[in-house]
Amino acid sequence: DQQVKQNSPSLSVQEGRISILNCDYTNSMFDYFLWYKKYPAEGPTFLISISSIKDKNEDGRFTVFLNKSAKHLSLHIVPSQPGDSAVYFCAAFGGGADGLTFGKGTHLIIQP
Amino acid sequence: NAGVTQTPKFQVLKTGQSMTLQCAQDMNHNSMYWYRQDPGMGLRLIYYSASEGTTDKGEVPNGYNVSRLNKREFSLRLESAAPSQTSVYFCASSDVLKVRGQPQHFGDGTRLSIL
Repeated sequence: DQQVKQNSPSLSVQEGRISILNCDYTNSMFDYFLWYKKYPAEGPTFLISISSIKDKNEDGRFTVFLNKSAKHLSLHIVPSQPGDSAVYFCAAFGGGADGLTFGKGTHLIIQP
Repeated sequence: NAGVTQTPKFQVLKTGQSMTLQCAQDMNHNSMYWYRQDPGMGLRLIYYSASEGTTDKGEVPNGYNVSRLNKREFSLRLESAAPSQTSVYFCASSDVLKVRGQPQHFGDGTRLSIL
């Protein structure tokens, strides 16, 4: 029973355009959401987070939106750059667990 | 800036062998974690240590033991390796477990194959 779902295994976007990565969750007790970026043969690196009491958080080219009623969050990357090509994991904190609960990841490919 | 260091990076074991994966962090973090990532899956929590001297089970603890040796080091042991434990293992640390949204910092992983 997956509590954090990333339904798109991969996404291809042209350089300079907007990348939108989506994440859905089922556990209403999650109270913090994080996005991680992962390159091959490296560990995940923290990108941006959002508290469940907010609906938007922005950091440079990265913005995370949270729709709590729909149990949905999205990561927007504008403009997309070649170095953004990586696997992006959505993770949630809370819900009775002491670690992070991860989605399966979305492989973002930025096309030149 | 080393951050979280895992050793070894790669290992091949035979079924039934034992193995200890090492992890050390230099960020003076209190909490440390072990995750595993299987192909096409997200990371799943095996064990964690909220602070020096404490350890607790995560989502998938069966077949593993851990030791929080000191504040810096957190090891994961496979007593009798099984093919189902073939995976990439990630160690992570964070400042304080219960602080909401505290990001965890990950090592580069240990790729473990069990034949």
